[in-house]
Amino acid sequence: DTEVTQTPKHLVMGMTNKKSLKCEQHMGHRAMYWYKQKAKKPPELMFVYSYEKLSINESVPSRFSPECPNSSLLNLHLHALQPEDSALYLCASSQETGMGTEAFFGQGTRLTVV
Amino acid sequence: RKEVEQDPGPFNVPEGATVAFNCTYSNSASQSFFWYRQDCRKEPKLLMSVYSSGNEDGRFTAQLNRASQYISLLIRDSKLSDSATYLCVVNGGGFKTIFGAGTRLFVKA
Repeated sequence: DTEVTQTPKHLVMGMTNKKSLKCEQHMGHRAMYWYKQKAKKPPELMFVYSYEKLSINESVPSRFSPECPNSSLLNLHLHALQPEDSALYLCASSQETGMGTEAFFGQGTRLTVV
Repeated sequence: RKEVEQDPGPFNVPEGATVAFNCTYSNSASQSFFWYRQDCRKEPKLLMSVYSSGNEDGRFTAQLNRASQYISLLIRDSKLSDSATYLCVVNGGGFKTIFGAGTRLFVKA
């Protein structure tokens, strides 16, 4: 069982809707990530938060807005999405260690934009 | 050139076979290397980290060759349950983790 919990598991939204994806981890990890994965493609990094501060934004369109309320929570606010934004959105977390940053993933939110 | 390259496969092997996957990376400053496994419509799960000395976990062996910028994963005595996509993952420093496109494995009875 994953220790990174994402809600909802499935989401269908219209192009004018506003919705939020939520992610929670209680492993004490200080880095949290959002990835986007299209079918038969690898995960693509969107955002990285380190110690609750945004440290990486991979040129993601502003219709995706991340938020890190505290060290255990990560949100992704969605507004005015396009059908091509339909994908699996994965949250991950990792602990800063000297050996590298192995990440643990949540089960993802499968998003469909209609 | 892609930052992380893998043979996409698919690899179709019978149960009990030994299969090897390769992965190359372009950033010589990369510091950490991992193999993840992803089942259909599921999240990626860490299979093993890869160290310069090589490491083994049961039927799985991972190797890293920094000079050639090359990572490998060997699966011995394949099981039906090994069928999945295997993702090579490279960390180039900081929190920037790059995924390879993945190699699909089908193990047949």
